[in-house]
Amino acid sequence: QVQLQQSGAELVKPGSSVKISCKASGYTFTSYDMHWIKQQPGNGLEWIGWIYPGNGNTKYNQKFNGKATLTADKSSSTAYMQLSSLTSEDSAVYFCAREFGGYLYVMDAWGQGASVTVSS
Amino acid sequence: DVQMTQSPSNLAASPGESVSINCKASKSISKYLAWYQQKPGKANKLLIYSGSTLQSGTPSRFSGSGSGTDFTLTIRNLEPEDFGLYYCQQHNEYPYTFGAGTKLELK
Repeated sequence: QVQLQQSGAELVKPGSSVKISCKASGYTFTSYDMHWIKQQPGNGLEWIGWIYPGNGNTKYNQKFNGKATLTADKSSSTAYMQLSSLTSEDSAVYFCAREFGGYLYVMDAWGQGASVTVSS
Repeated sequence: DVQMTQSPSNLAASPGESVSINCKASKSISKYLAWYQQKPGKANKLLIYSGSTLQSGTPSRFSGSGSGTDFTLTIRNLEPEDFGLYYCQQHNEYPYTFGAGTKLELK
């Protein structure tokens, strides 16, 4: 079955960067977009962007331009999101989620979430 | 960006009852509205997309309706496993946006 296994919780300092991973299994990694979503307590969910691992194409929410960088490693079926110039506003749980397909832009399988805490 | 307004924020019900959760878009999104369930310790689950299409594995007690700006998720004959958080998401245009969530609690 489709599984998305995310990396563990991170405690990072303001101004630094962090890279979160999402290892996919149970399907052809290169055939489906991978979305990334941010969740802050009380703030609901925010779509960050997607990457198509087949060719590396990306699409970002303008709000996250310059903040998030999405990459994918086909050899290990792993998607990555790097967050840079971290502030307290970046403290959140970040999810990877597989695109359902057919250009529907809904997410049919989710990772368990990776918590990022930005604190000095 | 399309703003998604979910109501109510909190909802208390008992097993066997029926409940409805509403989602209103700030502009027309045609039929392109999805519903997700979030529960602690479990992966988020896609329930419904394109307004009313049940995702494979979603029990038939769940139904979605609406188009344009107003959508509803209805859960009939609540089961204990249905309690949790529910989010709507518009998948009509970039950037895809979510509602703030509805917490369905046991009464």
